[in-house]
Amino acid sequence: DQQVKQNSPSLSVQEGRISILNCDYTNSMFDYFLWYKKYPAEGPTFLISISSIKDKNEDGRFTVFLNKSAKHLSLHIVPSQPGDSAVYFCAARIGAMRFGAGTRLTVKP
Amino acid sequence: DTGVSQDPRHKITKRGQNVTFRCDPISEHNRLYWYRQTLGQGPEFLTYFQNEAQLEKSRLLSDRFSAERPKGSFSTLEIQRTEQGDSAMYLCASSATSGSLNEQFFGPGTRLTVL
Repeated sequence: DQQVKQNSPSLSVQEGRISILNCDYTNSMFDYFLWYKKYPAEGPTFLISISSIKDKNEDGRFTVFLNKSAKHLSLHIVPSQPGDSAVYFCAARIGAMRFGAGTRLTVKP
Repeated sequence: DTGVSQDPRHKITKRGQNVTFRCDPISEHNRLYWYRQTLGQGPEFLTYFQNEAQLEKSRLLSDRFSAERPKGSFSTLEIQRTEQGDSAMYLCASSATSGSLNEQFFGPGTRLTVL
């Protein structure tokens, strides 16, 4: 059973524009949501997180929004840079973490 | 380098052979996790330890898989009688229990190919 879903396998945006990555989940018991970024040949690296009791968390160019009623979260990257090109995984935690399948972001110069 | 390390980075084996992977977590982290990732998917949780105690195991962890963390530091993941379906990237992560986030830091992974 896939409790965390990323329905867009890829996203392409122009440098300087906003990138919006989406994630849906099914389990209302998740207490933390996290975004990880992965480059080829490396393990995922932590990017930003949000507690289930909040609806927004911002860190520099990265903002995560949580809509509990819709069981949806999103990651906004503004402005997007070519170095942001990577696979982004959404993860939700209840004990162990459950990951989505990832979205490959390409930022074009 | 004080990050999570994994050894080997790549392993090619024949079906039916046993393989063992090692993970060295960040030294002050008491939690250690194993994940498996196949092409086009996110990491799938396999098991995790707090110190030397194995606290949770996924249904994905068949009886051919065994993980240990004997001294609460490094961990090993053994797969017995490997099958072609075991081919995947095996990721290790570690975290500290202090604080509320428990952010996990991942190693580079061990890529297993079963021929």
